[in-house]
Amino acid sequence: DTGVSQDPRHKITKRGQNVTFRCDPISEHNRLYWYRQTLGQGPEFLTYFQNEAQLEKSRLLSDRFSAERPKGSFSTLEIQRTEQGDSAMYLCASSFRQGLQETQYFGPGTRLLVL
Amino acid sequence: SQQGEEDPQALSIQEGENATMNCSYKTSINNLQWYRQNSGRGLVHLILIRSNEREKHSGRLRVTLDTSKKSSSLLITASRAADTASYFCATVSSGDGNKLVFGAGTILRVKS
Repeated sequence: DTGVSQDPRHKITKRGQNVTFRCDPISEHNRLYWYRQTLGQGPEFLTYFQNEAQLEKSRLLSDRFSAERPKGSFSTLEIQRTEQGDSAMYLCASSFRQGLQETQYFGPGTRLLVL
Repeated sequence: SQQGEEDPQALSIQEGENATMNCSYKTSINNLQWYRQNSGRGLVHLILIRSNEREKHSGRLRVTLDTSKKSSSLLITASRAADTASYFCATVSSGDGNKLVFGAGTILRVKS
């Protein structure tokens, strides 16, 4: 399978714990995005990378959230001191930058439940 | 925050009927895209329409874009049970990078 993969697919944690999610993009894609989706809503943008550089972060990304993309390949999203409001589906997408019209390919997501 | 709204929020039709979903947005855009999300799965890209295009077709899908009204519609013809899913429009705004701004989606149920 050469699509975007995410690990784990599900995560249950207790409030106050730290969690880390991983995203492996399609191999030749130079852009990687993170989104968050809550029940009944569309995904909301969190941050994106072009190669290893983090180019934009949403206001939604509080200080407890950090994302990295070392070497411009896979990416990790860490949430420190989780809160119940962090419960959501975390989606990763990748794309290849070609002009203004690019298609983002999404992974299956990591569903987080904070108890 | 969401860019706009989809209408209707939910739609239930019989197999073989056509389904039409509408999307409104707020800002100037470079393009508008439609995605499908099945229960428990990620988002699948369906079609992209540029801001200078008015209509686009892909198989059983027809998308229209009216930039003067800041609205788009997705028509699925001859629907199938497998089309049951949530459908989202997403915009890429002018001068705002390439991040997607999604609406809240339309839940489509196709009954066989």
